[in-house]
Order: sequence, then C-alpha cells, then structure tokens
Amino acid sequence: DSGVTQTPKHLITATGQRVTLRCSPRSGDLSVYWYQQSLDQGLQFLIQYYNGEERAKGNILERFSAQQFPDLHSELNLSSLELGDSALYFCASSDSGGYNEQFFGPGTRLTVL
Amino acid sequence: AQRVTQPEKLLSVFKGAPVELKCNYSYSGSPELFWYVQYSRQRLQLLLRHISRESIKGFTADLNKGETSFHLKKPFAQEEDSAMYYCALWGAGNMLTFGGGTRLMVKP
Repeated sequence: DSGVTQTPKHLITATGQRVTLRCSPRSGDLSVYWYQQSLDQGLQFLIQYYNGEERAKGNILERFSAQQFPDLHSELNLSSLELGDSALYFCASSDSGGYNEQFFGPGTRLTVL
Repeated sequence: AQRVTQPEKLLSVFKGAPVELKCNYSYSGSPELFWYVQYSRQRLQLLLRHISRESIKGFTADLNKGETSFHLKKPFAQEEDSAMYYCALWGAGNMLTFGGGTRLMVKP
C-alpha cells in the first residue's frame, strides 16, 4: 500500500498513561499533518512537519508532542492521558508544505478509560 | 481567527433531487477552499478545490466572497453520493481548518 499508513488501528489505555501513534506518509511526500477528531470538537488540526522540521502548530496541548524522522515517518506522543483525549487521530501527508491536496490515513482510534 | 461553518449536520434527499451542502467561512485574507468527502469505510479524500474550478462526480462549488460561502452543489443526487462532507479552508498559520461536516443521505 503506497498510501498513508497509521498504526495502531485501535488503542485502549488508562488515564495518566502515555501512548505513541505512528504515521508513514505516501512515498515522496515531505509533509505530515496530525489531526484529532472528537464528537464535540470535530476535525482539529494539531501540528505539521515538513521534511523533519515543525512547520505549523494548531491547538495542540502541551501534553502532546510530535516529531518527524529522517525517513519521514512521524510519531505523535500523547502523555498524561485524560478521558477527553479519547478520539480518532488522523495523519495526512502532502508533497509540499503548502495548500496542496492532503492524503489521509485510516486513523487511530484512541480510547482512554 | 479563521472559521468554517457547515450549518447542517444531516441532509437527506431523494435520488435525482438537487443537493446543496452549505459552507460559510470567516477569514480576513484570500482563502483557499476545499471540499473533502468520506465515504463509508473509506478514508477522507479531496473532492474538489475552488482554485481548480472543476466539476468532480457532478459536484461543483463556487466561491462567493461577498457572502463568504463555498456551497457544494449537484443537480441530481445519486445513492453513491451518500457520505460525510467536510468544507475546509487553508488560511493563516499554514493550516487547514475544517467545518463540522454534513452527512448526506440519498434515499432511493
């Protein structure tokens, strides 16, 4: 599959824990974007990386952090988890950092109990 | 701050009827606007963007700067159009801001 991949598909954890979500962009894409989708907030932009560098930041909590590695895959780290962090986390990629089409992954569903 | 509003959470029409999914935005600059769609069990994907001024799957959207709207239209809805539709704006801060989404149900 040459599209955006995300692992794991589902994650169930407890409050106070820390998790890492992984995203591999499409082949050739340099930009990775992270989004959070919850029932009450809709689809919210969290952060963007372009070729390893942070490019844009949205409403990302301080408990959350991300990075993009030299092979361009990205990880989103969520710590001190709260019940309200339960959501679907999407990764998207594009070939540039501009307003080109973003290609979305299938998402990781995080449940915090 | 930029904002995208989709006033209808659910829109239900019969097959063959016209469809209009509303999208309003607030943004002080010149926006780049998009419609993304998510079919059942599929990924979110781009449907069309205003800069391309093209028709995709029979859908069109016109940017109306005076009314700050980017409504999505199709003259004759098909059952396969049933999906979740998101309007999105690329503006300040190099980020894509999404509306809350509208679920379109096309009944046979």
